[in-house]
Amino acid sequence: DTEVTQTPKHLVMGMTNKKSLKCEQHMGHRAMYWYKQKAKKPPELMFVYSYEKLSINESVPSRFSPECPNSSLLNLHLHALQPEDSALYLCASSQKTGAEAQHFGDGTRLSIL
Amino acid sequence: QKEVEQDPGPLSVPEGAIVSLNCTYSNSAFQYFMWYRQYSRKGPELLMYTYSSGNKEDGRFTAQVDKSSKYISLFIRDSQPSDSATYLCAMSAMDSNYQLIWGAGTKLIIKP
Repeated sequence: DTEVTQTPKHLVMGMTNKKSLKCEQHMGHRAMYWYKQKAKKPPELMFVYSYEKLSINESVPSRFSPECPNSSLLNLHLHALQPEDSALYLCASSQKTGAEAQHFGDGTRLSIL
Repeated sequence: QKEVEQDPGPLSVPEGAIVSLNCTYSNSAFQYFMWYRQYSRKGPELLMYTYSSGNKEDGRFTAQVDKSSKYISLFIRDSQPSDSATYLCAMSAMDSNYQLIWGAGTKLIIKP
């Protein structure tokens, strides 16, 4: 079991739906990340939060909206997604941003109908 | 040319063999080097984290970094079927805000 917990494990949604992905860590880490991973590809960075503030947004479409309610929680709000957004969405955390090892959750497998 | 090159495999070896996985890179500013293991339908699991050149050992795993050749390796001794997974190298540098730059991942199959 990983120390970064993501829910739900699987999500199927239509293109007009609104849903949220959740991530929780209790390691006292102050940096949290969202990645997108397509099949047989490495993870692609989407967002970075440092001390609960958004520090990096890798030009992600506005249909993805991150939120960091506190130092342990990270959400990714989804709205009006496209079929090409189907992927594994991974959350990671590290002690802080910089040269710190990132620890990943097992992801949410998202399918857009 | 990609910043990090990694053979996607698959690499198939018999149980008990020594496995060598490798990545080459072009950016001499990389200072931090990681190996992650990813099982099917799971997230990447950090195996090894090294700074600059040298060797690091953890159980059956040894990571090597040769900055002069821009080449990193992960060796797995006494390989087991449970080692079958995709192995991803990743590296970072201060001048790119320590964002992880990933290899493509190598699919490893250990045959019983």
